[in-house]
Amino acid sequence: AQTIHQWPVAEIKAVGSPLSLGCTIKGKSSPNLYWYWQATGGTLQQLFYSITVGQVESVVQLNLSASRPKDDQFILSTEKLLLSHSGFYLCAWSPRQYNNQAPLFGEGTRLSVL
Amino acid sequence: QQQVRQSPQSLTVWEGETAILNCSYENSAFDYFPWYQQFPGEGPALLISILSVSDKKEDGRFTIFFNKREKKLSLHIADSQPGDSATYFCAASPSGSWQLIFGSGTQLTVMP
Repeated sequence: AQTIHQWPVAEIKAVGSPLSLGCTIKGKSSPNLYWYWQATGGTLQQLFYSITVGQVESVVQLNLSASRPKDDQFILSTEKLLLSHSGFYLCAWSPRQYNNQAPLFGEGTRLSVL
Repeated sequence: QQQVRQSPQSLTVWEGETAILNCSYENSAFDYFPWYQQFPGEGPALLISILSVSDKKEDGRFTIFFNKREKKLSLHIADSQPGDSATYFCAASPSGSWQLIFGSGTQLTVMP
Protein backbone atom coordinates (compact mmCIF):
# COMPACT_ATOMS: atom_id res chain seq x y z
CA ALA A 1 0.00 0.00 0.00
CA GLN A 2 1.22 3.48 -0.82
CA THR A 3 2.43 5.53 2.10
CA ILE A 4 1.68 8.86 0.48
CA HIS A 5 -1.41 9.72 -1.54
CA GLN A 6 -1.89 12.94 -3.46
CA TRP A 7 -5.09 14.25 -4.95
CA PRO A 8 -6.14 15.06 -7.54
CA VAL A 9 -3.83 13.38 -10.02
CA ALA A 10 -4.28 16.24 -12.47
CA GLU A 11 -6.15 19.54 -12.68
CA ILE A 12 -6.92 22.00 -15.44
CA LYS A 13 -7.92 25.37 -14.01
CA ALA A 14 -8.58 28.87 -15.23
CA VAL A 15 -6.43 31.87 -14.30
CA GLY A 16 -7.95 33.56 -11.27
CA SER A 17 -9.73 30.48 -9.99
CA PRO A 18 -9.03 28.91 -6.57
CA LEU A 19 -7.02 25.76 -6.02
CA SER A 20 -6.73 23.13 -3.35
CA LEU A 21 -4.35 20.17 -3.54
CA GLY A 22 -4.13 17.50 -0.92
CA CYS A 23 -1.75 14.93 0.46
CA THR A 24 -2.33 12.15 2.99
CA ILE A 25 0.33 10.06 4.69
CA LYS A 26 -0.62 6.59 5.85
CA GLY A 27 0.93 4.57 8.63
CA LYS A 28 3.55 7.09 9.73
CA SER A 29 3.38 8.82 13.10
CA SER A 30 3.90 12.58 13.09
CA PRO A 31 5.89 12.80 9.86
CA ASN A 32 7.63 15.89 8.56
CA LEU A 33 5.72 17.02 5.49
CA TYR A 34 6.82 19.05 2.46
CA TRP A 35 5.41 20.62 -0.68
CA TYR A 36 7.57 20.96 -3.78
CA TRP A 37 6.91 22.48 -7.19
CA GLN A 38 8.49 21.41 -10.45
CA ALA A 39 8.19 23.26 -13.74
CA THR A 40 8.03 21.05 -16.81
CA GLY A 41 11.56 19.84 -17.48
CA GLY A 42 12.85 21.76 -14.49
CA THR A 43 14.25 21.26 -11.04
CA LEU A 44 12.34 20.87 -7.79
CA GLN A 45 11.67 23.91 -5.64
CA GLN A 46 10.73 23.44 -2.00
CA LEU A 47 7.65 25.52 -1.14
CA PHE A 48 6.65 24.63 2.42
CA TYR A 49 7.51 22.28 5.24
CA SER A 50 5.73 21.26 8.40
CA ILE A 51 7.08 19.37 11.38
CA THR A 52 3.88 19.35 13.41
CA VAL A 53 0.13 19.83 13.12
CA GLY A 54 -0.90 23.44 12.69
CA GLN A 55 2.62 24.70 11.97
CA VAL A 56 3.78 25.40 8.43
CA GLU A 57 6.94 27.20 7.34
CA SER A 58 7.21 28.91 3.98
CA VAL A 59 10.41 28.47 2.01
CA VAL A 60 9.52 30.53 -1.06
CA GLN A 61 6.63 32.84 -1.82
CA LEU A 62 4.66 31.89 -4.92
CA ASN A 63 1.24 33.29 -3.91
CA LEU A 64 0.43 29.91 -2.41
CA SER A 65 -0.39 28.84 1.11
CA ALA A 66 -0.24 25.54 2.95
CA SER A 67 -1.94 24.10 5.99
CA ARG A 68 -1.66 20.99 8.09
CA PRO A 69 -5.10 20.39 9.60
CA LYS A 70 -4.31 16.84 10.74
CA ASP A 71 -1.15 14.95 11.57
CA ASP A 72 -1.41 12.95 8.35
CA GLN A 73 -2.71 15.64 6.00
CA PHE A 74 -1.08 18.52 4.14
CA ILE A 75 -3.02 20.96 1.97
CA LEU A 76 -1.72 23.41 -0.65
CA SER A 77 -4.02 26.18 -1.79
CA THR A 78 -4.48 29.57 -3.35
CA GLU A 79 -7.49 31.79 -3.87
CA LYS A 80 -6.34 33.06 -7.25
CA LEU A 81 -4.30 31.03 -9.72
CA LEU A 82 -1.69 32.56 -12.00
CA LEU A 83 -0.36 31.15 -15.27
CA SER A 84 2.98 30.69 -13.51
CA HIS A 85 1.41 28.19 -11.11
CA SER A 86 1.31 25.56 -13.83
CA GLY A 87 3.57 22.60 -13.14
CA PHE A 88 3.98 19.47 -11.09
CA TYR A 89 3.22 19.64 -7.37
CA LEU A 90 4.81 17.04 -5.16
CA CYS A 91 4.12 16.21 -1.56
CA ALA A 92 6.84 14.47 0.42
CA TRP A 93 7.43 13.13 3.91
CA SER A 94 10.31 12.18 6.15
CA PRO A 95 10.40 10.56 9.60
CA ARG A 96 9.91 12.95 12.49
CA GLN A 97 12.93 14.42 14.26
CA TYR A 98 15.28 13.64 11.40
CA ASN A 99 16.30 16.61 9.33
CA ASN A 100 19.08 14.72 7.58
CA GLN A 101 16.70 12.22 6.10
CA ALA A 102 15.81 12.54 2.47
CA PRO A 103 12.11 13.19 1.86
CA LEU A 104 10.14 10.51 0.06
CA PHE A 105 7.84 11.80 -2.65
CA GLY A 106 4.33 11.06 -3.75
CA GLU A 107 3.24 10.65 -7.34
CA GLY A 108 2.43 14.33 -7.76
CA THR A 109 -0.39 16.45 -9.11
CA ARG A 110 -0.08 17.88 -12.62
CA LEU A 111 -1.59 21.38 -12.75
CA SER A 112 -2.33 23.26 -15.94
CA VAL A 113 -3.49 26.86 -15.60
CA LEU A 114 -5.10 28.27 -18.74
CA GLN B 1 22.50 31.99 -8.11
CA GLN B 2 22.37 28.22 -8.19
CA GLN B 3 23.64 26.66 -5.01
CA VAL B 4 23.74 23.13 -6.43
CA ARG B 5 25.03 22.58 -9.95
CA GLN B 6 24.83 19.42 -12.01
CA SER B 7 26.64 18.38 -15.15
CA PRO B 8 26.26 17.30 -17.81
CA GLN B 9 22.71 18.41 -18.56
CA SER B 10 22.27 15.24 -20.61
CA LEU B 11 24.32 12.08 -20.94
CA THR B 12 24.10 9.11 -23.28
CA VAL B 13 25.92 5.86 -22.57
CA TRP B 14 25.77 2.34 -23.96
CA GLU B 15 24.32 -0.55 -22.03
CA GLY B 16 26.97 -2.00 -19.72
CA GLU B 17 29.02 1.19 -19.44
CA THR B 18 29.47 3.26 -16.30
CA ALA B 19 27.56 6.54 -16.30
CA ILE B 20 29.13 9.36 -14.30
CA LEU B 21 26.94 12.24 -13.16
CA ASN B 22 28.51 15.25 -11.51
CA CYS B 23 27.33 17.64 -8.82
CA SER B 24 28.97 20.62 -7.12
CA TYR B 25 27.86 23.04 -4.45
CA GLU B 26 28.86 26.34 -2.94
CA ASN B 27 27.59 26.38 0.62
CA SER B 28 30.03 24.84 3.11
CA ALA B 29 27.11 24.30 5.49
CA PHE B 30 25.67 21.58 3.23
CA ASP B 31 26.31 18.23 4.86
CA TYR B 32 23.74 15.81 3.47
CA PHE B 33 23.44 14.89 -0.20
CA PRO B 34 20.68 12.62 -1.51
CA TRP B 35 20.34 11.63 -5.15
CA TYR B 36 16.95 11.08 -6.74
CA GLN B 37 15.85 9.28 -9.89
CA GLN B 38 12.81 10.57 -11.74
CA PHE B 39 10.93 8.99 -14.63
CA PRO B 40 8.61 11.15 -16.77
CA GLY B 41 5.28 11.83 -15.10
CA GLU B 42 6.35 10.36 -11.77
CA GLY B 43 7.57 11.72 -8.47
CA PRO B 44 11.30 11.45 -7.81
CA ALA B 45 12.50 8.33 -6.00
CA LEU B 46 15.35 8.35 -3.52
CA LEU B 47 18.29 6.43 -4.94
CA ILE B 48 21.19 6.85 -2.53
CA SER B 49 22.48 9.49 -0.12
CA ILE B 50 25.70 10.48 1.62
CA LEU B 51 26.74 12.53 4.63
CA SER B 52 29.71 14.85 4.34
CA VAL B 53 31.69 12.82 6.88
CA SER B 54 32.01 10.05 4.27
CA ASP B 55 33.89 10.10 0.99
CA LYS B 56 32.14 7.13 -0.61
CA LYS B 57 28.81 5.37 -0.43
CA GLU B 58 27.83 2.26 -2.37
CA ASP B 59 24.48 0.64 -2.95
CA GLY B 60 24.48 -2.07 -5.58
CA ARG B 61 25.35 -0.53 -8.94
CA PHE B 62 25.17 3.01 -7.55
CA THR B 63 28.16 4.72 -5.91
CA ILE B 64 28.58 8.27 -4.66
CA PHE B 65 32.08 9.73 -4.51
CA PHE B 66 32.36 12.83 -2.33
CA ASN B 67 35.17 15.41 -2.17
CA LYS B 68 34.46 17.85 0.65
CA ARG B 69 37.50 20.02 -0.01
CA GLU B 70 36.48 20.66 -3.60
CA LYS B 71 32.74 20.71 -2.80
CA LYS B 72 32.09 18.10 -5.47
CA LEU B 73 30.39 14.77 -5.66
CA SER B 74 29.56 12.32 -8.38
CA LEU B 75 27.14 9.47 -8.89
CA HIS B 76 28.51 6.44 -10.72
CA ILE B 77 26.05 3.99 -12.22
CA ALA B 78 27.88 0.79 -13.07
CA ASP B 79 26.69 -1.64 -15.74
CA SER B 80 24.09 0.84 -16.97
CA GLN B 81 20.80 -0.62 -18.17
CA PRO B 82 18.17 0.87 -20.50
CA GLY B 83 15.83 0.91 -17.50
CA ASP B 84 18.20 3.40 -15.84
CA SER B 85 17.21 6.01 -18.44
CA ALA B 86 15.75 8.81 -16.34
CA THR B 87 16.54 12.23 -14.91
CA TYR B 88 18.84 12.23 -11.90
CA PHE B 89 18.80 15.02 -9.34
CA CYS B 90 21.49 15.83 -6.83
CA ALA B 91 20.22 17.64 -3.73
CA ALA B 92 21.85 19.21 -0.70
CA SER B 93 20.73 20.06 2.80
CA PRO B 94 22.43 22.39 5.27
CA SER B 95 23.20 21.00 8.69
CA GLY B 96 20.27 21.36 11.08
CA SER B 97 17.91 22.58 8.33
CA TRP B 98 14.67 21.22 6.90
CA GLN B 99 15.53 22.69 3.53
CA LEU B 100 16.58 20.56 0.59
CA ILE B 101 18.02 22.31 -2.45
CA PHE B 102 17.98 20.52 -5.78
CA GLY B 103 20.27 20.79 -8.76
CA SER B 104 18.94 21.16 -12.28
CA GLY B 105 19.21 17.47 -13.07
CA THR B 106 21.01 15.23 -15.56
CA GLN B 107 18.97 13.40 -18.16
CA LEU B 108 20.53 9.98 -18.66
CA THR B 109 19.86 7.83 -21.71
CA VAL B 110 21.19 4.29 -21.82
CA MET B 111 21.28 2.86 -25.33
CA PRO B 112 20.77 -0.91 -25.75
